[in-house]
Amino acid sequence: QQQVKQSPQSLIVQKGGISIINCAYENTAFDYFPWYQQFPGKGPALLIAIRPDVSEKKEGRFTISFNKSAKQFSLHIMDSQPGDSATYFCAATGNTGRRALTFGSGTRLQVQP
Amino acid sequence: SAVISQKPSRDICQRGTSLTIQCQVDSQVTMMFWYRQQPGQSLTLIATANQGSEATYESGFVIDKFPISRPNLTFSTLTVSNMSPEDSSIYLCSVGAGAETQYFGPGTRLLVL
Repeated sequence: QQQVKQSPQSLIVQKGGISIINCAYENTAFDYFPWYQQFPGKGPALLIAIRPDVSEKKEGRFTISFNKSAKQFSLHIMDSQPGDSATYFCAATGNTGRRALTFGSGTRLQVQP
Repeated sequence: SAVISQKPSRDICQRGTSLTIQCQVDSQVTMMFWYRQQPGQSLTLIATANQGSEATYESGFVIDKFPISRPNLTFSTLTVSNMSPEDSSIYLCSVGAGAETQYFGPGTRLLVL
């Protein structure tokens, strides 16, 4: 599987602050980039996703920024809340017929009250 | 989004035994996948469960170790055979929705002693 690199590994943010998680990919055949949120003891939940034909997508406090030329994308969580404390995974998939996801290594976010 | 259930939710098994994990979806889906998430790690695709044909395995995963069934469009099983402590992981099924989106089940937490 083609690699997706994610940073940072862990992140501590104060309540109300902005959390930023970055990902980079290599395979130019990737054409769909979702972010998943995972709480302890739960399966990953789809948070937001973007396609490379747009540079930004916003849903509530969550925004994906996408830089196609740099092959990078990032998740911004505005007004971070303690309830956002979870592990976040970026992922990517391409038009290979079976649409399997390649995941980043994950970022453990802790939002302090 | 699809509602996905997995059984069992967790299990503790002895080395050398096998465990079959079930994944049930509340609607018919074309694509089902099985992932492994080792403790504190990211998700790695084991195989794509194909309805009516043999599963497609990723590099490093073989049918003898992880046999998969997909008897219909709402159900799949993954068996972890001849288990060793290294098989202790969370096993997750996911389903494809639309062209790219994937939703995950709650996972099966396996501990092998």
